[in-house]
Amino acid sequence: AQSVTQPDIHITVSEGASLELRCNYSYGATPYLFWYVQSPGQGLQLLLKYFSGDTLVQGIKGFEAEFKRSQSSFNLRKPSVHWSDAAEYFCAVSNTGNQFYFGTGTSLTVIP
Amino acid sequence: DTEVTQTPKHLVMGMTNKKSLKCEQHMGHRAMYWYKQKAKKPPELMFVYSYEKLSINESVPSRFSPECPNSSLLNLHLHALQPEDSALYLCASSQDLSGQPYSNQPQHFGDGTRLSIL
Repeated sequence: AQSVTQPDIHITVSEGASLELRCNYSYGATPYLFWYVQSPGQGLQLLLKYFSGDTLVQGIKGFEAEFKRSQSSFNLRKPSVHWSDAAEYFCAVSNTGNQFYFGTGTSLTVIP
Repeated sequence: DTEVTQTPKHLVMGMTNKKSLKCEQHMGHRAMYWYKQKAKKPPELMFVYSYEKLSINESVPSRFSPECPNSSLLNLHLHALQPEDSALYLCASSQDLSGQPYSNQPQHFGDGTRLSIL
């Protein structure tokens, strides 16, 4: 069965520090991978997606993610976090079998 | 600005009331979704419409009744809800290629309707 794991429920970083949010998936073939962000009181916004090709994907708001097939991972990174990045982050995976799964989410707190 | 518009933003209703949630998109997407989200949890899929036909129903109680009157609109009719139905209800849309709404098409979400059941 396909699944998505976000091992970190909550992460706290200082403003200006680098960030890495972890995502691991379980799927036999190459999945389609997404990162979404949800600010308080809002819906989910797509940060970036990976379908194929270059394994380093650039997204909006200065985020990037790297697909590592050998580790079944799709970690989200940002070199310098801003206070406005505080939000809930969801990794998601879909496949050609018309299935879609969200991870459990990682809550990001940014301290001054 | 979100491209998927949901109304109302907030709704408080009693357990005997009937109300409807509305969702509208003008991106030409042919797949539309309803999700339920509890605090600090990921969205849980409720329904998927593909080309205005119900494609997926994730065993949702009959007190929730979806409707897709046209390719731009999606409604969720509510009746006799329970307190545990209080949640954020999110609508999303995506392109739909060959009747497979998920595949590699990202979903675009509205800001949701915050529903409280008294």
